Amino acid sequence: AQTVTQSQPEMSVQEAETVTLSCTYDTSENNYYLFWYKQPPSRQMILVIRQEAYKQQNATENRFSVNFQKAAKSFSLKISDSQLGDTAMYFCAFMRLMNYGGSQGNLIFGKGTKLSVKP
Amino acid sequence: EPEVTQTPSHQVTQMGQEVILRCVPISNHLYFYWYRQILGQKVEFLVSFYNNEISEKSEIFDDQFSVERPDGSNFTLKIRSTKLEDSAMYFCASRPDSNQPQHFGDGTRLSIL
Repeated sequence: AQTVTQSQPEMSVQEAETVTLSCTYDTSENNYYLFWYKQPPSRQMILVIRQEAYKQQNATENRFSVNFQKAAKSFSLKISDSQLGDTAMYFCAFMRLMNYGGSQGNLIFGKGTKLSVKP
Repeated sequence: EPEVTQTPSHQVTQMGQEVILRCVPISNHLYFYWYRQILGQKVEFLVSFYNNEISEKSEIFDDQFSVERPDGSNFTLKIRSTKLEDSAMYFCASRPDSNQPQHFGDGTRLSIL
C-alpha cells in the first residue's frame, strides 16, 4: 500500500520570502503521479502542481516548483515570493498509474502542512 | 472555467437518518470520486466511479454508503443510518480521462447531531 508523509504540521514564512514544504512517499510502483493541493480556509481543494514520475525534469508553475527525487521518494514544494494569499493547508498526494497507462485515479493524501504567510 | 458543483454546502442531520450529498461533475468528465475529510485530519478516498459502476472503493466505504449517477449529470453519495462519526467534509471530484488531474468541488460539510 502507498503512504504519503508530510512531516511538518505547521510552517510560517514572511511575505516575499521562499518556503519549502516536505513530502515523502512510499510505493513499490514505478509509474505514478504526485500532486500538491492547496486548501485555503474556504476549504476548497485547489491543484497547485503535478509531477509525472517518469519525467526527470521538475515541474514548475509560476512561483511554485517541486524538487522531485524519485530514488529518495521525496517530493518537496517550493513557494517563491510568498504572498498572503498562499496561506492555506497544503496536501501532498500520490496517484498510481495502471500498467496500460490509465489509472483508477484515487488520490492518497498526506496529513497536510499548515502554511501561514506573515506580513 | 467549468467547475464541479456540490450541494448543499452544509447539511445538518439527526443521527440515524439518511442523507444524500449531491454533485454535478464537469460535463465532459468520465471519472468521478468521493472523498471525506474529518475536521483536522487528512483527506481520505471513499470511492471512484467510471462507466456507470464503482471502479474502486476504500475500506471506509462499507454497506452504509452508496453512489449513483441517476441521470447522466448528477453524482450522488447516499449515507444510510448516519452516525456521529460521519460528520466530515465530503468532497466530490471528477476528471476527463485517466491521465488528467482531478478537479474538486467546494465540498459539503455534513454535521450529524
